[in-house]
Amino acid sequence: IAGITQAPTSQILAAGRRMTLRCTQDMRHNAMYWYRQDLGLGLRLIHYSNTAGTTGKGEVPDGYSVSRANTDDFPLTLASAVPSQTSVYFCASSDSGTNGYTFGSGTRLTVV
Amino acid sequence: QQQVKQSPQSLIVQKGGISIINCAYENTAFDYFPWYQQFPGKGPALLIAIRPDVSEKKEGRFTISFNKSAKQFSLHIMDSQPGDSATYFCAARSPPGSARQLTFGSGTQLTVLP
Repeated sequence: IAGITQAPTSQILAAGRRMTLRCTQDMRHNAMYWYRQDLGLGLRLIHYSNTAGTTGKGEVPDGYSVSRANTDDFPLTLASAVPSQTSVYFCASSDSGTNGYTFGSGTRLTVV
Repeated sequence: QQQVKQSPQSLIVQKGGISIINCAYENTAFDYFPWYQQFPGKGPALLIAIRPDVSEKKEGRFTISFNKSAKQFSLHIMDSQPGDSATYFCAARSPPGSARQLTFGSGTQLTVLP
């Protein structure tokens, strides 16, 4: 089934630990995005990549890093997790020739 | 900096009624305005979208009304059904020459009572 796969589905992480959230798409979309969803704040862009080999900062990039080594994968890394990074993280992709985003099912992260 | 403001935060409607969700934006360069529907435990899914050169778009029971001069757009759900109960997000896309990213509103939790 074409789409976006995110892993893990959920995670409880001790503060100070490093964590990588995985995102893989099989639609050959050029652009990929990481958003975090918090109640009352909607979806806020963390980082994006318009094409393999390039990345950019979104609205809330601090404490996060990304890489885009190929078209399909766009991992998000928390170098040293803090409780304020407790959130639901969504990966999305889009074809530069179309308008809509396809979202993954999300990763629920709790930092304690 | 909230470039897309959405209201209300929550909405309760009786089955068969009309649900109306409003959004306002600041950046006149936005060129695409989608609405997303999200069910619990799922990612948002594109519901309907409009471009600023069109004042209205209808798909089944869902209609977007767009007022370019007022920088506002709204989602109307006619004959609302319990299955429409979900969180709805409006969004606006940044123009060519930038990241082409979507900026989302804060979301509206819709509950349709049976």
